[in-house]
This record gives sequence, C-alpha cells and structure tokens, in this order.
Amino acid sequence: GAVVSQHPSWVICKSGTSVKIECRSLDFQATTMFWYRQFPKQSLMLMATSNEGSKATYEQGVEKDKFLINHASLTLSTLTVTSAHPEDSSFYICSARAGGRGPTEAFFGQGTRLTVV
Amino acid sequence: QKEVEQDPGPLSVPEGAIVSLNCTYSNSAFQYFMWYRQYSRKGPELLMYTYSSGNKEDGRFTAQVDKSSKYISLFIRDSQPSDSATYLCAIGAGGNQFYFGTGTSLTVIP
Repeated sequence: GAVVSQHPSWVICKSGTSVKIECRSLDFQATTMFWYRQFPKQSLMLMATSNEGSKATYEQGVEKDKFLINHASLTLSTLTVTSAHPEDSSFYICSARAGGRGPTEAFFGQGTRLTVV
Repeated sequence: QKEVEQDPGPLSVPEGAIVSLNCTYSNSAFQYFMWYRQYSRKGPELLMYTYSSGNKEDGRFTAQVDKSSKYISLFIRDSQPSDSATYLCAIGAGGNQFYFGTGTSLTVIP
C-alpha cells in the first residue's frame, strides 16, 4: 500500500509556542490531504481538508487561525498549531489521497502525539 | 446523537475464537462503510470496505452491513495474536467527511 509519513511522532511544547507537524506522501502524489484530531477515548474528528495549491476547508468549530494548514506541494502538507495551549494536547493524524481516487483510498500517517505543558 | 457509535471494549478472546465487532450509525444516507485496523503507535490501515449494503469476505475477515438497522459488523474467524489491535469503523456518504467510531481494542490471547 501507499506510504504516508508523519513527523514528528510526538512533541512536547510550552504553552504559547507554535508547533508544526508534517505529513508526507512518500510514493504517490497526494492531491488531497486530511487532518484529524483524536482526544482520549474519542473518535477521530476531521479538522480540515486541503487540496494541493488551494486553501484548506475547515470543519465547523475548528479555528483556521489557530490551526494553519499548508499544502504547497503534492507530497507535503503541514499543520501548524499556533499559540498552543494545554487543551490542544491531542493526537493529530493526517491522511492523503491521490487524485481521482475514491473516498476509501486515503492512507493514514502514524499520527503525532502533541502535549502542551 | 453521535453519527457513529462503537463499543470501545476492551475485548479479550482466546486464540482461534470468532470475534464480532460492531458499530451503529444514525444517518440513512451513509453509503460507505469501512473498517480500519490500528496497531499501537501506528496510523489506521484500511482493512475492508463495503459500499451500500451486503456482505464482503476477505480471508478470515467478513464485513456485514444492515442498512435497515443501521448496523455494521466485522467478523474475524480463527483469530490470531497478530490480530490484537484497535479496530475502527468509519462511515460516510461519499464525500470527504467520514465519521469514525471510537475504536474497539481487541486482544487475542495465545
């Protein structure tokens, strides 16, 4: 299957700082990338969808100024959590899908565990 | 009401047992029904999916959809210790938005 790599796997940062998470498709061109967040004992929740070269589409309730998404190339999308606070501590996971592929053909990265102290 | 409900478990079974994992959903417009397997510290990987209704079998795994009851199941036959993981259902109407269950943690004891 296709490989999606997410970096870092875990990060601890101080409250008020910004953290950047990278999501790379290693062996295919990802026209669309998705960012999810998962709190303990809760479901994966879609935060935003980004298409290469376009602005991301954010789900209701997700602050676009706080969670900056860049998808400038067909193999890389980044999520920057700005001015992070302890309530932003969560598991962030991306998935990527090649152009022309169906909704079931998105591949997930391994996730990033963010802890804000 | 949540879009998707899934019993988080944990579920513990002896090797060789038949495992039944289930999700219920609320929106009758959902057409895509997927099951992901997630090992510890890894991203989810697609195990099986069905479109619309019916059953699908792949080796030891069988996925069933009952749209009248808004209920989906994943059966694992002859379970193995390597099947120990968290299993997530994901359900959607076909766009980009999929609703995930919370995941069921499964341990298969040798």
